[in-house]
Amino acid sequence: ETGVTQTPRHLVMGMTNKKSLKCEQHLGHNAMYWYKQSAKKPLELMFVYSLEERVENNSVPSRFSPECPNSSHLFLHLHTLQPEDSALYLCASSQSWAGSYNEQFFGPGTRLTVL
Amino acid sequence: QKEVEQNSGPLSVPEGAIASLNCTYSDRGSQSFFWYRQYSGKSPELIMSIYSNGDKEDGRFTAQLNKASQYVSLLIRDSQPSDSATYLCAENSGGYQKVTFGIGTKLQVIP
Repeated sequence: ETGVTQTPRHLVMGMTNKKSLKCEQHLGHNAMYWYKQSAKKPLELMFVYSLEERVENNSVPSRFSPECPNSSHLFLHLHTLQPEDSALYLCASSQSWAGSYNEQFFGPGTRLTVL
Repeated sequence: QKEVEQNSGPLSVPEGAIASLNCTYSDRGSQSFFWYRQYSGKSPELIMSIYSNGDKEDGRFTAQLNKASQYVSLLIRDSQPSDSATYLCAENSGGYQKVTFGIGTKLQVIP
């Protein structure tokens, strides 16, 4: 495996289900990100982890719960989602420190549909 | 509130022409700027990064940055139908602070 991988690639879930999205980066980076991409909207940053510590949480509803057990893995736990949460969820990673340029590399994304 | 502005397009250019994609940003503290290419149904792919005023060339791509005008652009020379995609402009103020993305410009290269 190379780059950033995400599983599953597609997910259909009901509003009462609980599911998890998984991301793994093979780039040796120290920061990982979750983004939401909806049609006709800019990428929305959801969460940032740097060295496994959450450093950004952009007022995301509590039905989204991130987890970063180590610098290579990132999860997004989903529960009681709403239909408006249907979107492409993208994971990214970067080598980031004060003064760095923070080039981010994206995984292929998970297309989520909430029924 | 940091903002990155792009015309959503579509921008249509004939094959072989130069495609010019433009972007403005609101944060004067922005230090690094990125262009991502996103094909329909795929994830964004980083194609250019630029940090200093002036031009940066990589193959058929040239990124241009003017910090005084808060303006960054991407030129694609000899456009090919395979360049048809949405191009996202993004900026970062440094460190692991968030990268702010524009809505993207859809480019159509007509054979």
